[in-house]
Amino acid sequence: ETGVTQSPTHLIKTRGQQVTLRCSSQSGHNTVSWYQQALGQGPQFIFQYYREEENGRGNFPPRFSGLQFPNYSSELNVNALELDDSALYLCASSKTGGDIYEQYFGPGTRLTVT
Amino acid sequence: AQRVTQPEKLLSVFKGAPVELKCNYSYSGSPELFWYVQYSRQRLQLLLRHISRESIKGFTADLNKGETSFHLKKPFAQEEDSAMYYCALGGNYGQNFVFGPGTRLSVLP
Repeated sequence: ETGVTQSPTHLIKTRGQQVTLRCSSQSGHNTVSWYQQALGQGPQFIFQYYREEENGRGNFPPRFSGLQFPNYSSELNVNALELDDSALYLCASSKTGGDIYEQYFGPGTRLTVT
Repeated sequence: AQRVTQPEKLLSVFKGAPVELKCNYSYSGSPELFWYVQYSRQRLQLLLRHISRESIKGFTADLNKGETSFHLKKPFAQEEDSAMYYCALGGNYGQNFVFGPGTRLSVLP
């Protein structure tokens, strides 16, 4: 069974730029959730994707967007980067239709915005 | 609005001592509550959830709806329990999980 993977591991961007982060879900999982974890804080829910559509969204502006592909992998896109976007971005997969609360997390992508 | 609070940022106990990590929540519906743990250099993982009423690694947590609490307890702490612990509240259909700020547990020898 393959676990959740994320790429890249680390990323440095400049304010105003755009970034794409990637996530491959665990084998057999069809739902992906994205979280932002700022330093010293708990993860904050950004949004969830199921069947290639957004299926719930936290309190994040529209410049945070995502995609889910037919193989259930997912992308998180952030436009017009701001300094406060510097954080660890976590992806978690789960199985809607099974236990949707059983989330498995990836190792995260550390984004630094300068 | 959903909210989770964990009043202690850091909790230090000696090996063999009892541990209680506090968690309070606010939610208007019927809550789904969880404890997640992150050991050093490892990814975030589920420790336990209230609905299963299991004891994992000696930890238990009881949902108290009257006090809106879901405290994590262990009678005898071990050094390998040292980690970051997050209390989380699940939304409808697994959406909009709300995590608390976390408590770092340090078990001293």
